[in-house]
Amino acid sequence: DQQVKQNSPSLSVQEGRISILNCDYTNSMFDYFLWYKKYPAEGPTFLISISSIKDKNEDGRFTVFLNKSAKHLSLHIVPSQPGDSAVYFCAASNEGSNYKLTFGKGTLLTVNP
Amino acid sequence: DGGITQSPKYLFRKEGQNVTLSCEQNLNHDAMYWYRQDPGQGLRLIYYSQIVNDFQKGDIAEGYSVSREKKESFPLTVTSAQKNPTAFYLCASKARVMNTEAFFGQGTRLTVV
Repeated sequence: DQQVKQNSPSLSVQEGRISILNCDYTNSMFDYFLWYKKYPAEGPTFLISISSIKDKNEDGRFTVFLNKSAKHLSLHIVPSQPGDSAVYFCAASNEGSNYKLTFGKGTLLTVNP
Repeated sequence: DGGITQSPKYLFRKEGQNVTLSCEQNLNHDAMYWYRQDPGQGLRLIYYSQIVNDFQKGDIAEGYSVSREKKESFPLTVTSAQKNPTAFYLCASKARVMNTEAFFGQGTRLTVV
């Protein structure tokens, strides 16, 4: 049973435009959400996170939005750059319980020059 | 420099042999994780440990074993019982502090020959 879902395997955008990556979750006990960026044959690197007490967190070009009622979060990248091309993983945990991190399947973002 | 180190980067194993993947961290993190990445499958949790001498099964623990005798180390053994061991294996660690990110190693590519 997949508790964290990224339903778009891939996304292609033009340089300078906005990239929006989506993530849905089913476990209402999740209280902390993270986005990671991953290049082939490398470990994921942390991008941005949000706790369940917030609905928005911003860090430079990256903004994460959380809609708890819909169990949905999204990552916005503005403006998109060719170097942003990578696989993006959404992850969630129940920090109040066991720190177990559950990941989605990832979305491959391609930013075209 | 603090970080998390996986070794080796590439590993070849004959069918029927056990093999152990190393993961060491000097971040003073209590929690450590092992994930497996297959094409189109995202990151699937094999085992995780919240503290020394304790670990829990993840979603795909069959055919794997771990130990956590030291805080810094969380080795993963891929046994001959694992039916499809060829994959990219990722180790991560995290502080047992709420709302903090996990850090990943660079991964080990295991190929069964």
